[in-house]
Amino acid sequence: EAQVTQNPRYLITVTGKKLTVTCSQNMNHEYMSWYRQDPGLGLRQIYYSMNVEVTDKGDVPEGYKVSRKEKRNFPLILESPSPNQTSLYFCASSRGRSSQGAGETQYFGPGTRLLVL
Amino acid sequence: QKEVEQNSGPLSVPEGAIASLNCTYSDRGSQSFFWYRQYSGKSPELIMSIYSNGDKEDGRFTAQLNKASQYVSLLIRDSQPSDSATYLCALPHITGGGNKLTFGTGTQLKVEL
Repeated sequence: EAQVTQNPRYLITVTGKKLTVTCSQNMNHEYMSWYRQDPGLGLRQIYYSMNVEVTDKGDVPEGYKVSRKEKRNFPLILESPSPNQTSLYFCASSRGRSSQGAGETQYFGPGTRLLVL
Repeated sequence: QKEVEQNSGPLSVPEGAIASLNCTYSDRGSQSFFWYRQYSGKSPELIMSIYSNGDKEDGRFTAQLNKASQYVSLLIRDSQPSDSATYLCALPHITGGGNKLTFGTGTQLKVEL
């Protein structure tokens, strides 16, 4: 089954304790992305990756790191989490370059709900 | 002006009615649009995409695009309680070969019995 998986699904942590949220896809997609979703603000992109070893900042990258050592995995790292990073996080993937700006369907993981105390 | 704007709702419609969801956007160069549905606590799932002016129908769903007026809408015919969800409008931006999506904040739809 084609899918995007995330772990953990729920996480409660304390300020300053490093954490990693894993994301994996089995569709051989080039493009992967992390979003956070907050009430009233919608989905905002944190980081994205166009392929292995190619990553770039999205709209709200502060306080986050990512890596793309393998095509299927795109972990999100919070080196020193703070309460303002409490949010619902989604990983997504899609095929890479699209023709004529048509855009590609993005497939979302189930989400990770993070609470930073 | 935000890139993508939606009325947050909630939009309440009776079962069996037509629900009309609207989205306006600021980038005149936008070529394609997506509608995602998101149930509470769940991930967004794609329900419609539209690239050309006019209407596109898929079952009970119709997407309408008007590039001159910079709006895209989603009509849901014969609304069912299972359609109760938040509907997100999204525009792709081709950044360096990738496909960034900019989302609206979503419209909450409630279909009442």
